[in-house]
Amino acid sequence: GQQLNQSPQSMFIQEGEDVSMNCTSSSIFNTWLWYKQDPGEGPVLLIALYKAGELTSNGRLTAQFGITRKDSFLNISASIPSDVGIYFCAGPNEKLTFGTGTRLTIIP
Amino acid sequence: EPEVTQTPSHQVTQMGQEVILRCVPISNHLYFYWYRQILGQKVEFLVSFYNNEISEKSEIFDDQFSVERPDGSNFTLKIRSTKLEDSAMYFCASSVWYEQFFGPGTRLTVL
Repeated sequence: GQQLNQSPQSMFIQEGEDVSMNCTSSSIFNTWLWYKQDPGEGPVLLIALYKAGELTSNGRLTAQFGITRKDSFLNISASIPSDVGIYFCAGPNEKLTFGTGTRLTIIP
Repeated sequence: EPEVTQTPSHQVTQMGQEVILRCVPISNHLYFYWYRQILGQKVEFLVSFYNNEISEKSEIFDDQFSVERPDGSNFTLKIRSTKLEDSAMYFCASSVWYEQFFGPGTRLTVL
């Protein structure tokens, strides 16, 4: 089956810092979705990407669909405490495969 | 803002018992899904449903599982004879096209 590897696995940052994470697929994707999940809750859709090279923003979040169509990137600018959680990439179609996740922790 | 709802939030059952997990998808959505997440692991696809039939299912979705849309609003997942390894969070999702919106989940505990 498809493999989606995310890196880094975890991040420890200070409030106000920018964050970058990425996701790599073993096969070409036509769609990339980025989700955030808080403990005990369902994934919340952050950004959807549909075209190679596409750059899409949602507030302080920016995601890019890699040109090779096998990767995607998510950046968070000026992190705040509510950004804490696990970020998942997912794709490529109705049968979503989720990535391994990046756990974001903000150090006081 | 419309959202996917799920009931119950937590279900505890004995091994071998049948359980039905319920979902109300977003009203104008056409595609419905079930996923599960074992504690500490990633979300895994179980099944997708469109036009009153299963459109895709994973190898996890064996004969013990079934889905139904009994009326115009509910979407259910039935596990016929639960096993210990069925303990997980079960998420319902719905979409108009590719963007899937997830419910808050049902935590199933099989004893």
